[in-house]
Amino acid sequence: ILNVEQSPQSLHVQEGDSTNFTCSFPSSNFYALHWYRWETAKSPEALFVMTLNGDEKKKGRISATLNTKEGYSYLYIKGSQPEDSATYLCAFKDNQGGKLIFGQGTELSVKP
Amino acid sequence: DTGVSQDPRHKITKRGQNVTFRCDPISEHNRLYWYRQTLGQGPEFLTYFQNEAQLEKSRLLSDRFSAERPKGSFSTLEIQRTEQGDSAMYLCASSRTGQGSTEAFFGQGTRLTVV
Repeated sequence: ILNVEQSPQSLHVQEGDSTNFTCSFPSSNFYALHWYRWETAKSPEALFVMTLNGDEKKKGRISATLNTKEGYSYLYIKGSQPEDSATYLCAFKDNQGGKLIFGQGTELSVKP
Repeated sequence: DTGVSQDPRHKITKRGQNVTFRCDPISEHNRLYWYRQTLGQGPEFLTYFQNEAQLEKSRLLSDRFSAERPKGSFSTLEIQRTEQGDSAMYLCASSRTGQGSTEAFFGQGTRLTVV
């Protein structure tokens, strides 16, 4: 059974704070690691697709790193804004098939 | 709008009834996925198609669940003899196949409530 774990489950920060979340996944048979942002009443939206060990990707104030050998990825948000409030999901894809296995998500709330 | 669309957005049904949901993927996407999400959990994989072929089905999926993608375009997910435990958000997503891993695009989901 493939297990993808995210921590923390929820996070409450003040506007301007920087924050980070962790996603751990199986280190064997790795193919890709995806990050998604899911805002209330909207569809999950892809942030990053990462495939190579040591990958670092950035989109505005959000960045992510990947360590496939030890099976973890970090998502960083610099200077959090209220509009960053959402659930952040990571998803693992192995080299055996096409499905994404999701973690349970980290719910971020940013207070003005 | 060329995104993934799901219909209906909300469905309330009585226990024991059958329900069917529809997903229209992005037109050039050959992969289509169904997920189920309950409160406090991440999306749980149900099944996926490549074109019209159902390539994988979760072992957690009981035989009351069936999905089709008859012409490799839209897909339907049917739940027979619904139970209260089937209450959840049902998400559909689509993606292209190609070199590397491509992102999945999600619909807004169908929220099922079984009373």
